[in-house]
Amino acid sequence: GESVGLHLPTLSVQEGDNSIINCAYSNSASDYFIWYKQESGKGPQFIIDIRSNMDKRQGQRVTVLLNKTVKHLSLQIAATQPGDSAVYFCAESPNAGNMLTFGGGTRLMVKP
Amino acid sequence: KAGVTQTPRYLIKTRGQQVTLSCSPISGHRSVSWYQQTPGQGLQFLFEYFSETQRNKGNFPGRFSGRQFSNSRSEMNVSTLELGDSALYLCASALRTDDNEQFFGPGTRLTVL
Repeated sequence: GESVGLHLPTLSVQEGDNSIINCAYSNSASDYFIWYKQESGKGPQFIIDIRSNMDKRQGQRVTVLLNKTVKHLSLQIAATQPGDSAVYFCAESPNAGNMLTFGGGTRLMVKP
Repeated sequence: KAGVTQTPRYLIKTRGQQVTLSCSPISGHRSVSWYQQTPGQGLQFLFEYFSETQRNKGNFPGRFSGRQFSNSRSEMNVSTLELGDSALYLCASALRTDDNEQFFGPGTRLTVL
């Protein structure tokens, strides 16, 4: 069943293109920032995290960029695939693992 | 290994009733957190348990409570249900309390009529 908001911002990309999902966070004291992916009918799935003392971190096909000056976080997905279609949430935390504050989410739709 | 399991998956209650939701974390995980997800408020942190102790609590009224057992399984309880409590309740487990990689269960969909 549905588990996310009805009026999420949506990013539509062509299969094979790169995707960039943006997030503005609110707490300048947050030390950890995490991206989660939520597919329909499932719970969120951890993608990647970054600590506030870093500005970039790479994973498999994903890169997270952190700009603390403007409190902005982005998730870049390379060579987007249909399986990447989901809602993506950024989350922030004052300490590792604790009390995640989630953003509103962005729906990514991948066109074949 | 098995993922996080939550029971029941769906639940319908009426206003004023109480409800108990259950979460079994991944084997070996000792940290369990609960979140509420609604279309209007999004994902909101409820509380976190580690070694049977509540470590953190979100901004929810006292009607929301939880506990963790010695085998790390956790329950959350909502008393005097209100219409606004209708939501997807998600449980997440992690190896340690300072582990950013939390593993979420599929959630329990609670509908309050």
